[in-house]
This record gives sequence, structure tokens and C-alpha cells, in this order.
Amino acid sequence: SQTIHQWPATLVQPVGSPLSLECTVEGTSNPNLYWYRQAAGRGLQLLFYSVGIGQISSEVPQNLSASRPQDRQFILSSKKLLLSDSGFYLCAWSAGTSTRNEKLFFGSGTQLSVL
Amino acid sequence: GQSLEQPSEVTAVEGAIVQINCTYQTSGFYGLSWYQQHDGGAPTFLSYNALDGLEETGRFSSFLSRSDSYGYLLLQELQMKDSASYFCAVRDQGDSSYKLIFGSGTRLLVRP
Repeated sequence: SQTIHQWPATLVQPVGSPLSLECTVEGTSNPNLYWYRQAAGRGLQLLFYSVGIGQISSEVPQNLSASRPQDRQFILSSKKLLLSDSGFYLCAWSAGTSTRNEKLFFGSGTQLSVL
Repeated sequence: GQSLEQPSEVTAVEGAIVQINCTYQTSGFYGLSWYQQHDGGAPTFLSYNALDGLEETGRFSSFLSRSDSYGYLLLQELQMKDSASYFCAVRDQGDSSYKLIFGSGTRLLVRP
């Protein structure tokens, strides 16, 4: 069966510090991978998505970046965090066999607080 | 681009039926998905409608009217554990069709 792992669960970082959140998927090949951010009590904002190794599409042109060094690994990074980067970060995957795969499977999320 | 509208909050009594509406504006349309998210948790997939009509899965049903650009999620025999946020979602178009765009969510509060 497929599983998605995301860590850490919580993170408190000072403004200006770097960030690295990691997500890995097991039990499937060539998944589509996503990073979403959710502010408290709000909806899901798509940050990045990837349909293959090294292929990253960015939705948010700010101080965040994403990388996919391996087929089932997706990393969210920042060189210098801003206060506005605080939020709940969610990694997700969907089967990569069709562009119309509606079912996303989410990781357990990382609650990031930038102070 | 795609946009979705949902009520921000709905309150209902345990055992009752509640309907959560979603209207969408899209340049093209594949179908409408629904996700449930409990506080502090991850969203989980509930249902997907590509064609008009009602899809039933246990206590939950989802309806779609493509001509009205409208859908809803129907929850029957409400239980306290149904208190959560519910999101509708649509897929983007063209080269961006891998993207799933979510509504802002409806917070459902089930009272005893």
C-alpha cells in the first residue's frame, strides 16, 4: 500500500533562518507531488507541483523553492524565512498515470511558526 | 483561472442532514471533488463527480449540476465526528491540469 511521510510535524524558526521540509512517498512510482500551504482557518494554497524528477512548477514566486531529487522525494526550502511564511504545510501525491486524477493523498503536515 | 465559492460556516444538530454548497467558475471543467479536514489534520478525499447527478457513499452523498456550475455535499445522520472543514476542488486546465484548486472551505459544527 502507498504511504506518504512528511516531517517534521512542528517547527519553530526565527525570521531569516533557512528552511527544509521533506516529503517521501512509498509504494508507488512516478507520482505527481504537491506542496500546499494553509493559513489558520483558511483554504489550501498550492505552492509547487511536480510531475517528474527535476520538474517543478511554481505557483508562488516568493522566497520558497522546491526540489525533487528523486522520484518519490519532494523538498520545500527557503534561504531566509519571513514572518508571512508561517502556516500549515502539506505535502500530497496523486497517481501519475493520468492528468485527470482527482484523488490527492496528503501527508500529516508541518506546522511552521516563524518568530 | 478557476474559482470556487463555499459558505464559510454551517451549524447543524446531531442526527440531522446538512448540505454544503459549492459554486465554481472555470474556463473548462473535468469534475468536482470533496475533501474533509479535521482540525490539525490532513485533508482526506471524500468524493468526486464528473457527471451530473448524485453519488452516494454511505452517509455522504455528492451532487453535481454542470449546467449550473454547482455542486453540493450532503451529510446524513450527522455525528459529532463529522465536525470538520469541507473543501470542494476542481482541476485546472491545459498545461496546468495537474493542479487541484481548492475552495476556501466550509467549517461544519455539529451540536448535540
